Amino acid sequence: DQQVKQNSPSLSVQEGRISILNCDYTNSMFDYFLWYKKYPAEGPTFLISISSIKDKNEDGRFTVFLNKSAKHLSLHIVPSQPGDSAVYFCAASVFEAAGNKLTFGGGTRVLVKP
Amino acid sequence: DGGITQSPKYLFRKEGQNVTLSCEQNLNHDAMYWYRQDPGQGLRLIYYSQIVNDFQKGDIAEGYSVSREKKESFPLTVTSAQKNPTAFYLCASKRAATNEKLFFGSGTQLSVL
Repeated sequence: DQQVKQNSPSLSVQEGRISILNCDYTNSMFDYFLWYKKYPAEGPTFLISISSIKDKNEDGRFTVFLNKSAKHLSLHIVPSQPGDSAVYFCAASVFEAAGNKLTFGGGTRVLVKP
Repeated sequence: DGGITQSPKYLFRKEGQNVTLSCEQNLNHDAMYWYRQDPGQGLRLIYYSQIVNDFQKGDIAEGYSVSREKKESFPLTVTSAQKNPTAFYLCASKRAATNEKLFFGSGTQLSVL
Protein backbone atom coordinates (compact mmCIF):
# COMPACT_ATOMS: atom_id res chain seq x y z
CA ASP A 1 0.00 0.00 0.00
CA GLN A 2 1.73 3.13 -1.25
CA GLN A 3 1.07 5.94 1.19
CA VAL A 4 2.99 8.49 -0.91
CA LYS A 5 2.56 8.53 -4.68
CA GLN A 6 4.13 10.47 -7.49
CA ASN A 7 1.93 9.65 -10.45
CA SER A 8 4.12 11.21 -13.13
CA PRO A 9 7.25 9.11 -13.64
CA SER A 10 8.81 11.70 -15.92
CA LEU A 11 8.60 15.33 -16.94
CA SER A 12 10.26 17.22 -19.78
CA VAL A 13 10.45 21.01 -19.72
CA GLN A 14 12.22 23.74 -21.64
CA GLU A 15 14.94 25.72 -19.94
CA GLY A 16 13.53 28.86 -18.34
CA ARG A 17 10.01 27.48 -18.02
CA ILE A 18 8.27 26.23 -14.89
CA SER A 19 8.54 22.63 -13.72
CA ILE A 20 5.62 21.38 -11.62
CA LEU A 21 6.00 18.10 -9.77
CA ASN A 22 3.07 16.53 -7.94
CA CYS A 23 2.74 14.21 -4.99
CA ASP A 24 -0.31 12.65 -3.32
CA TYR A 25 -0.52 10.97 0.07
CA THR A 26 -3.11 8.93 1.89
CA ASN A 27 -2.07 9.07 5.56
CA SER A 28 -3.67 12.08 7.25
CA MET A 29 -1.21 11.70 10.14
CA PHE A 30 1.70 12.93 8.00
CA ASP A 31 2.74 16.29 9.40
CA TYR A 32 5.94 17.20 7.58
CA PHE A 33 6.75 16.96 3.90
CA LEU A 34 10.05 17.16 2.06
CA TRP A 35 11.39 17.17 -1.48
CA TYR A 36 14.71 15.61 -2.43
CA LYS A 37 16.74 15.68 -5.63
CA LYS A 38 18.76 12.66 -6.70
CA TYR A 39 21.36 11.93 -9.35
CA PRO A 40 22.16 8.34 -10.41
CA ALA A 41 24.38 6.40 -8.01
CA GLU A 42 24.34 9.23 -5.46
CA GLY A 43 22.44 9.92 -2.27
CA PRO A 44 19.43 12.26 -2.38
CA THR A 45 19.99 15.87 -1.43
CA PHE A 46 17.42 17.92 0.44
CA LEU A 47 15.65 20.68 -1.47
CA ILE A 48 12.80 22.11 0.53
CA SER A 49 10.26 21.14 3.16
CA ILE A 50 6.91 22.22 4.53
CA SER A 51 5.11 21.68 7.80
CA SER A 52 1.46 20.69 7.81
CA ILE A 53 0.58 23.98 9.49
CA LYS A 54 1.60 25.88 6.36
CA ASP A 55 0.34 25.82 2.80
CA LYS A 56 3.35 27.32 1.05
CA ASN A 57 7.10 27.55 1.48
CA GLU A 58 9.61 29.25 -0.81
CA ASP A 59 13.35 28.96 -1.15
CA GLY A 60 14.84 30.70 -4.14
CA ARG A 61 13.63 29.02 -7.33
CA PHE A 62 11.80 26.32 -5.38
CA THR A 63 8.29 26.60 -3.94
CA VAL A 64 6.34 23.83 -2.27
CA PHE A 65 2.56 23.99 -1.95
CA LEU A 66 0.52 21.85 0.42
CA ASN A 67 -3.21 21.20 0.09
CA LYS A 68 -4.14 19.19 3.17
CA SER A 69 -7.78 18.72 2.28
CA ALA A 70 -6.77 17.13 -1.01
CA LYS A 71 -3.75 15.38 0.54
CA HIS A 72 -1.64 16.82 -2.23
CA LEU A 73 1.62 18.68 -2.46
CA SER A 74 3.51 20.11 -5.37
CA LEU A 75 6.97 21.46 -6.10
CA HIS A 76 7.41 24.37 -8.48
CA ILE A 77 10.81 25.13 -9.98
CA VAL A 78 11.03 28.52 -11.66
CA PRO A 79 12.93 29.06 -13.87
CA SER A 80 14.04 25.54 -14.72
CA GLN A 81 17.73 25.08 -15.51
CA PRO A 82 19.57 22.20 -17.23
CA GLY A 83 21.27 21.40 -13.89
CA ASP A 84 17.83 20.65 -12.46
CA SER A 85 17.68 17.48 -14.57
CA ALA A 86 17.47 14.71 -11.96
CA VAL A 87 14.99 12.47 -10.17
CA TYR A 88 12.85 14.22 -7.56
CA PHE A 89 11.33 12.43 -4.59
CA CYS A 90 8.67 13.68 -2.25
CA ALA A 91 8.65 12.33 1.27
CA ALA A 92 6.25 12.50 4.18
CA SER A 93 6.99 12.19 7.85
CA VAL A 94 4.96 10.94 10.76
CA PHE A 95 6.06 10.73 14.37
CA GLU A 96 5.36 7.33 15.86
CA ALA A 97 6.23 5.85 19.25
CA ALA A 98 9.33 4.35 17.65
CA GLY A 99 10.36 7.73 16.25
CA ASN A 100 10.14 9.63 13.00
CA LYS A 101 9.46 7.55 9.94
CA LEU A 102 9.85 9.03 6.45
CA THR A 103 7.97 7.50 3.54
CA PHE A 104 9.07 8.30 0.00
CA GLY A 105 7.21 8.47 -3.27
CA GLY A 106 8.38 6.63 -6.37
CA GLY A 107 10.10 9.66 -7.90
CA THR A 108 9.68 11.85 -10.98
CA ARG A 109 12.48 12.11 -13.51
CA VAL A 110 12.85 15.69 -14.75
CA LEU A 111 14.63 16.58 -17.97
CA VAL A 112 15.29 20.25 -18.62
CA LYS A 113 16.09 20.87 -22.27
CA PRO A 114 18.35 23.77 -23.24
CA ASP B 1 33.66 17.98 7.16
CA GLY B 2 30.61 16.46 8.77
CA GLY B 3 28.72 13.85 6.87
CA ILE B 4 27.67 10.27 6.35
CA THR B 5 30.12 7.73 4.97
CA GLN B 6 28.93 4.53 3.36
CA SER B 7 31.30 1.77 2.35
CA PRO B 8 31.99 0.05 0.13
CA LYS B 9 30.66 1.90 -2.92
CA TYR B 10 30.20 -1.41 -4.77
CA LEU B 11 29.69 -4.85 -3.23
CA PHE B 12 29.15 -8.27 -4.70
CA ARG B 13 27.44 -11.14 -2.93
CA LYS B 14 27.62 -14.82 -3.70
CA GLU B 15 24.69 -17.16 -3.20
CA GLY B 16 24.15 -18.02 0.47
CA GLN B 17 26.54 -15.36 1.69
CA ASN B 18 25.89 -12.67 4.28
CA VAL B 19 27.34 -9.25 3.54
CA THR B 20 27.55 -6.15 5.72
CA LEU B 21 27.22 -2.57 4.53
CA SER B 22 28.89 0.08 6.63
CA CYS B 23 27.39 3.44 7.59
CA GLU B 24 29.20 5.98 9.77
CA GLN B 25 28.12 9.54 10.59
CA ASN B 26 29.93 12.35 12.39
CA LEU B 27 26.95 14.71 12.51
CA ASN B 28 26.08 13.76 16.10
CA HIS B 29 22.66 12.65 14.90
CA ASP B 30 20.61 10.36 17.11
CA ALA B 31 18.45 8.80 14.40
CA MET B 32 19.75 6.63 11.55
CA TYR B 33 17.96 4.90 8.68
CA TRP B 34 18.53 2.35 5.93
CA TYR B 35 16.66 2.58 2.63
CA ARG B 36 16.73 0.44 -0.47
CA GLN B 37 16.25 1.74 -4.02
CA ASP B 38 15.51 -0.55 -6.93
CA PRO B 39 15.95 0.69 -10.52
CA GLY B 40 13.24 3.17 -11.43
CA GLN B 41 11.69 2.86 -7.98
CA GLY B 42 11.41 4.98 -4.89
CA LEU B 43 13.15 4.53 -1.57
CA ARG B 44 11.82 1.86 0.75
CA LEU B 45 12.60 1.80 4.46
CA ILE B 46 14.43 -1.28 5.76
CA TYR B 47 15.32 -0.42 9.37
CA TYR B 48 15.64 2.67 11.51
CA SER B 49 17.08 3.54 14.89
CA GLN B 50 16.33 6.50 17.12
CA ILE B 51 18.86 5.79 19.86
CA VAL B 52 21.79 3.51 20.59
CA ASN B 53 20.90 -0.14 21.23
CA ASP B 54 17.41 0.29 19.81
CA PHE B 55 16.09 -0.14 16.28
CA GLN B 56 12.82 -0.75 14.50
CA LYS B 57 11.77 -2.67 11.41
CA GLY B 58 10.75 -0.63 8.43
CA ASP B 59 8.53 -1.71 5.58
CA ILE B 60 10.85 -4.34 4.06
CA ALA B 61 12.97 -5.70 6.95
CA GLU B 62 12.80 -9.38 6.01
CA GLY B 63 16.22 -10.76 5.10
CA TYR B 64 18.09 -7.88 6.74
CA SER B 65 19.56 -7.25 10.18
CA VAL B 66 21.10 -4.21 11.86
CA SER B 67 22.89 -3.20 15.03
CA ARG B 68 23.32 0.13 16.78
CA GLU B 69 26.09 -0.29 19.32
CA LYS B 70 27.46 3.21 18.79
CA LYS B 71 25.74 6.48 18.01
CA GLU B 72 27.96 7.01 14.97
CA SER B 73 27.49 3.61 13.36
CA PHE B 74 24.52 1.69 11.92
CA PRO B 75 25.72 -1.31 9.87
CA LEU B 76 23.27 -3.28 7.72
CA THR B 77 23.70 -7.01 7.11
CA VAL B 78 22.08 -8.48 4.04
CA THR B 79 21.53 -12.12 4.94
CA SER B 80 21.19 -15.16 2.69
CA ALA B 81 17.46 -15.04 3.46
CA GLN B 82 17.16 -11.93 1.29
CA LYS B 83 16.41 -13.53 -2.07
CA ASN B 84 16.56 -10.40 -4.17
CA PRO B 85 19.35 -8.30 -2.68
CA THR B 86 20.49 -6.49 -5.82
CA ALA B 87 19.72 -2.82 -5.19
CA PHE B 88 21.18 0.55 -4.26
CA TYR B 89 21.34 0.92 -0.49
CA LEU B 90 21.17 4.31 1.18
CA CYS B 91 21.97 5.20 4.77
CA ALA B 92 20.62 8.40 6.30
CA SER B 93 20.62 10.23 9.59
CA LYS B 94 18.83 13.12 11.27
CA ARG B 95 18.47 14.83 14.58
CA ALA B 96 15.95 13.08 16.76
CA ALA B 97 13.59 16.05 17.02
CA THR B 98 10.55 15.98 14.81
CA ASN B 99 10.39 17.80 11.49
CA GLU B 100 14.05 17.53 10.69
CA LYS B 101 15.43 16.63 7.27
CA LEU B 102 17.32 13.45 6.51
CA PHE B 103 20.93 13.61 5.41
CA PHE B 104 21.96 10.80 3.08
CA GLY B 105 25.20 8.99 2.39
CA SER B 106 26.39 8.35 -1.16
CA GLY B 107 25.05 4.80 -1.26
CA THR B 108 26.27 1.23 -1.81
CA GLN B 109 25.40 -0.73 -4.94
CA LEU B 110 24.98 -4.40 -4.04
CA SER B 111 24.94 -6.99 -6.79
CA VAL B 112 24.63 -10.76 -6.76
CA LEU B 113 27.28 -12.84 -8.51
